[in-house]
Amino acid sequence: DGGITQSPKYLFRKEGQNVTLSCEQNLNHDAMYWYRQDPGQGLRLIYYSQIVNDFQKGDIAEGYSVSREKKESFPLTVTSAQKNPTAFYLCASSIGGTQNTGELFFGEGSRLTVL
Amino acid sequence: SQELEQSPQSLIVQEGKNLTINCTSSKTLYGLYWYKQKYGEGLIFLMMLQKGGEEKSHEKITAKLDEKKQQSSLHITASQPSHAGIYLCGADRNSGYALNFGKGTSLLVTP
Repeated sequence: DGGITQSPKYLFRKEGQNVTLSCEQNLNHDAMYWYRQDPGQGLRLIYYSQIVNDFQKGDIAEGYSVSREKKESFPLTVTSAQKNPTAFYLCASSIGGTQNTGELFFGEGSRLTVL
Repeated sequence: SQELEQSPQSLIVQEGKNLTINCTSSKTLYGLYWYKQKYGEGLIFLMMLQKGGEEKSHEKITAKLDEKKQQSSLHITASQPSHAGIYLCGADRNSGYALNFGKGTSLLVTP
């Protein structure tokens, strides 16, 4: 089945540790995104990538890093510089390019808890 | 940046009742998207509206975009427990293909 796979679903981390969240898609989409969701805050954009080997900061990029070495993969690293990393992280993709419809396809999310 | 205000923040309705969720934008909407999220899961696309006055329906859910393209409503007819979840509206950003989202409306349908 085509879709977006995020892993792990649940992750616990000690303060001061970096952690990487995986996001893989087999939809052949050009564009990929990372959002963070907190209670009462809605979704906030962390980073996005419109094409391989290129990515841009979203609204809350501080303390996060990404890479886009392959079309199907867009991992997010939550660094120790992120002040409040405990949150629900959502990865999404869209067709991108001239055929983009605007619709985002989401993964099931990864819940990160910092102890 | 564009802000999307959703109302109400939360809603509890009895099964079989109708309900409406609103999404208001501070700027003209060029693409308005409705998503549903079950608690602790990803978002599922419901509908997209682009033209002023446009209305779309899927099963018992109808979404409208006003003529001025600054407000959208989502109406559920004869609600069922399966309609429970968080409903979020999203709108095109000026850069890239990402969307801005409202804070969501939490819906609970009671028997």
